[in-house]
Amino acid sequence: NFKLTQPHSVSESPGKTVTISCSGSGGNIASNYVQWFQQRPGSAPTTVIYEDNERPSGVPARFSGSIDTSSNSASLTISGLKAEDEADYYCQSYDNDNLGVFGGGTKLTVL
Amino acid sequence: QVHLRQWGAGLVKPSETLSLTCGVVGGSFSDSYWTFIRQPPGKGLEWVGEISPSGVTHHSASLRSRLSLSLDSSTSQVSLQLTSVTAADTAVYYCALSSSRPFFFDHWGQGTLVSVSS
Repeated sequence: NFKLTQPHSVSESPGKTVTISCSGSGGNIASNYVQWFQQRPGSAPTTVIYEDNERPSGVPARFSGSIDTSSNSASLTISGLKAEDEADYYCQSYDNDNLGVFGGGTKLTVL
Repeated sequence: QVHLRQWGAGLVKPSETLSLTCGVVGGSFSDSYWTFIRQPPGKGLEWVGEISPSGVTHHSASLRSRLSLSLDSSTSQVSLQLTSVTAADTAVYYCALSSSRPFFFDHWGQGTLVSVSS
């Protein structure tokens, strides 16, 4: 079964750059698009990256997504960290049966 | 401004059926994918299922035998039914609409907390 694994938490200081990893197992992460969602406490998730590296309008260019086929992983990079970026982040993709899969989520703390 | 509205019972008894409906306010999207996602209290997101504009569905393997999704394109509404619920189905349920690209959830519902309890 295809599975996505994220670190439980990451932290970094304002103005710095942080990268959240999403490791695929049981399948090739490059076979289907990866999406990233931001979820602030008490709110519905919102999309920050879709189709591996596309940003919705309104999402700052500080957010970027990438795929590394050598490590079978995806990454979300946030540069110029701001306090408002503090949230839970989830990666999501699909398995070979077109069923959705979420990573376990990463809590980002902006120190 | 387009947004999604969700409605359904917030409390369901064990072994009964959970029903939720999600609709578009301020627009109409007849050629869109709909996805349901749930989140148990204090836990992460879980993909529940999706329905295409033509009504083709994909269901989570763990819920497949109990899950039904239906789409009314004329009213831009989608419905979820989950039968024989247990306490493990207690979660906030979200609907998400992909109005332009199948994998881009550009609109999200506000979420509905459904508790399974007698």
